[in-house]
Amino acid sequence: DQQVKQNSPSLSVQEGRISILNCDYTNSMFDYFLWYKKYPAEGPTFLISISSIKDKNEDGRFTVFLNKSAKHLSLHIVPSQPGDSAVYFCAASASGGSNYKLTFGKGTLLTVNP
Amino acid sequence: KAGVTQTPRYLIKTRGQQVTLSCSPISGHRSVSWYQQTPGQGLQFLFEYFSETQRNKGNFPGRFSGRQFSNSRSEMNVSTLELGDSALYLCASSLAGGTYTGELFFGEGSRLTVL
Repeated sequence: DQQVKQNSPSLSVQEGRISILNCDYTNSMFDYFLWYKKYPAEGPTFLISISSIKDKNEDGRFTVFLNKSAKHLSLHIVPSQPGDSAVYFCAASASGGSNYKLTFGKGTLLTVNP
Repeated sequence: KAGVTQTPRYLIKTRGQQVTLSCSPISGHRSVSWYQQTPGQGLQFLFEYFSETQRNKGNFPGRFSGRQFSNSRSEMNVSTLELGDSALYLCASSLAGGTYTGELFFGEGSRLTVL
């Protein structure tokens, strides 16, 4: 039972255009969401996060949108650059209780073509 | 400030053997988590330690175990290796482990191949 789903295994965009990566979740207890980026042979690195009390968080070229009623979040990258080519993981956590783990999606491989 | 260090980076084992992986967290970080990444499966949570105590455990068989030392360094052990244990094992550290307050810092991982 996959609680965090990234239904697009891959996405290809042109340099300068917008990249939109999508993520859906099923667990209503999730209240904090994160995006990680992973290059080959490296560990994932934190990109941006959003709390469930917000519907948008922006950091430079990266914006995450959260639609709680749809249990959906998306990561927008504008403008996309070739260096953004990586695997992007969506992750979620629940703050209640003693839950100290992130639940990850399977990732989306983003390729930005020059 | 040094990042999360995992050793060894690569290793090859045969079925039935056991393996121990090591993780040194960022200085000052007291929480260490372990994740398994396999092709097409994303990252799956193994366990999390804080101050030498396991606070949470994922849905893995008992062959997977871990521990944390007083200096916050952590090890994970997999006994009686199976072919399906071939994966990238990632260690992540954070100040206190509360994922709702911040992010995890990952190491580069230990790539285990079981033949």
